Amino acid sequence: AQKVTQAQTEISVVEKEDVTLDCVYETRDTTYYLFWYKQPPSGELVFLIRRNSFDEQNEISGRYSWNFQKSTSSFNFTITASQVVDSAVYFCALSEAEAGGSYIPTFGRGTSLIVHP
Amino acid sequence: DTGVSQNPRHKITKRGQNVTFRCDPISEHNRLYWYRQTLGQGPEFLTYFQNEAQLEKSRLLSDRFSAERPKGSFSTLEIQRTEQGDSAMYLCASSPQTGTLGNQETQYFGPGTRLLVL
Repeated sequence: AQKVTQAQTEISVVEKEDVTLDCVYETRDTTYYLFWYKQPPSGELVFLIRRNSFDEQNEISGRYSWNFQKSTSSFNFTITASQVVDSAVYFCALSEAEAGGSYIPTFGRGTSLIVHP
Repeated sequence: DTGVSQNPRHKITKRGQNVTFRCDPISEHNRLYWYRQTLGQGPEFLTYFQNEAQLEKSRLLSDRFSAERPKGSFSTLEIQRTEQGDSAMYLCASSPQTGTLGNQETQYFGPGTRLLVL
């Protein structure tokens, strides 16, 4: 069974600080996908990144970077020079192949990031 | 705007009433998913359609819940005899079938319908 743990319930930082959101996952599959989504106060989940289990390359997109480490089953997300607009709940998710060939993601409980001006 | 849309955005109802929500996926996406999200939790999978076929249902989907996607385009989620425990945000997402694997598995979410059962 798949499981995603986001141990940090809430993180509070001051603008321009760097912040890392942790995600640890459990799976028995060798093929799986990991995702990060952002949920601002408006409620809509915004897709940020997808990683497959065979690609451990870290990725950087502007102020966002992701560190995927299969050895520790972690997929951490770092925001550099945080801004007030980064305030949101961030969800990590894991998809394994289901019996019918679909991938149904399991989401973590989310980390609420509050960036103070 | 070509994203996933959901209507209504908010719904307040009395216990025992029936409610129906609608989701319009991204037009070229043939996979559609429904989730429920309660406060402080991540989205929980309810059901999934590929075109008009409902392929998977979660145990969370009690017999009071029914979902349809009659023409493989928009979908409806109906809750009969609502209970206070049904109060939640109901999210819809869609993903494409064609394309490289990985793209197919990226789901794009709508803004959700927030249900409050009094």
